[in-house]
Amino acid sequence: GQQVMQIPQYQHVQEGEDFTTYCNSSTTLSNIQWYKQRPGGHPVFLIQLVKSGEVKKQKRLTFQFGEAKKNSSLHITATQTTDVGTYFCAGPGVAGNMLTFGGGTRLMVKP
Amino acid sequence: DVKVTQSSRYLVKRTGEKVFLECVQDMDHENMFWYRQDPGLGLRLIYFSYDVKMKEKGDIPEGYSVSREKKERFSLILESASTNQTSMYLCASATGAYNEQYFGPGTRLTVT
Repeated sequence: GQQVMQIPQYQHVQEGEDFTTYCNSSTTLSNIQWYKQRPGGHPVFLIQLVKSGEVKKQKRLTFQFGEAKKNSSLHITATQTTDVGTYFCAGPGVAGNMLTFGGGTRLMVKP
Repeated sequence: DVKVTQSSRYLVKRTGEKVFLECVQDMDHENMFWYRQDPGLGLRLIYFSYDVKMKEKGDIPEGYSVSREKKERFSLILESASTNQTSMYLCASATGAYNEQYFGPGTRLTVT
């Protein structure tokens, strides 16, 4: 079946450093979504990318969808302690009406 | 404001007990989902429902069943709880299967 892999699993950064998480799918995706889960919280939708090569920005966050629509990345510029959490990507499953989530990247920021 | 609520934040049950987890959404969404979340494994789909009384198995349905008698309510049932079902359970809803999902706060279930 389809797999959505995320790397790295964990990342420690110093406040002010940049951070990137990568998402790779074994199949072409019609779209990809990104979610953030704060410690002790639940996943919250950040953004959806649909077009090949699409780049979207939300303040310090930059989201990219690969040209082949099989990979995506989330880049945070100058991390802050409020960025702490786990970031998940999710894409449509091969069979049935459902999303397949990546394993998530847990970001820890040292002040 | 969009809202998904779950019946309990924390639950402790004994092995063999029947467990009901309830989820209610107030957004009139057709699609509702149950996930379990375990460290290092991300979110795994247990079951989803695309309409009242309709359900589809997700990736890990074994040991679980679901019920959707009303549009706003989606229940997850553990017929006979086992220790390997100790986990965080998250409910979500969405207008379409591939649209933005809204999650509830989660239920942390411990089976002893």
